[in-house]
Amino acid sequence: EIVLTQSPGTLSLSPGERATLSCRASQTVSDNYLAWYQQKSGQAPRLVIYGASSRATGIPDRFRGSGSGTDFTLTIIRLEPEDFAVYFCQQYGSSPRTFGQGTKVEIK
Amino acid sequence: EVQLLESGGGLVQPGGSLRLSCEASGFTFSSFALSWVRQAPGKGLEWVSAVNRGGSTTYYADSVKGRFTISRDNSKNMVFLQMNSLRAEDTAVYYCVKDPLHHPRYYFDFWGQGTLVTVSS
Repeated sequence: EIVLTQSPGTLSLSPGERATLSCRASQTVSDNYLAWYQQKSGQAPRLVIYGASSRATGIPDRFRGSGSGTDFTLTIIRLEPEDFAVYFCQQYGSSPRTFGQGTKVEIK
Repeated sequence: EVQLLESGGGLVQPGGSLRLSCEASGFTFSSFALSWVRQAPGKGLEWVSAVNRGGSTTYYADSVKGRFTISRDNSKNMVFLQMNSLRAEDTAVYYCVKDPLHHPRYYFDFWGQGTLVTVSS
């Protein structure tokens, strides 16, 4: 199975700053089938990005997904207060579908 | 509005059984695959099981194969997870999640709020 490694574990930033989250796969992710989810404390995850770079419905354009092969990035251009959360990447190019361990974006 | 409402979680002893249910609304239930994803306390996410739109094909993570059974009732817009021979490591919040297409091999576009399963003596 494909192992996804996210870095950093925690990102401490201020509102208005740029957040860059990394997701590295142990093997090539077929067709760039990589998604990102946001999970706020006590809530279910919410889809943010699919297909490495397509924003889900209702997701603001400050969220940008990029990358291919084994290296993927989620960038939040200017952090808003509601963006502080844990972000998980997930690959669906190979079975079983697997998740990264998460990156927490916290207020500095 | 898509809604997924899980129920059936609770405290169970090791070796015991539990049946989770998920009632869906807001979309054409029979057109989409459904899955269960779990999250152990303070941990990451793990895909557990999936079923295609018709219920004829099921998929399981190795960690639950032979112990868990997924099924669905398209007449009632419900999906189920029968969990047998439960272990302490099955303790988690279990989320009912919707796939964006009929076959369960994509991302998850909608999530329920989850139901907590605790396996402990």
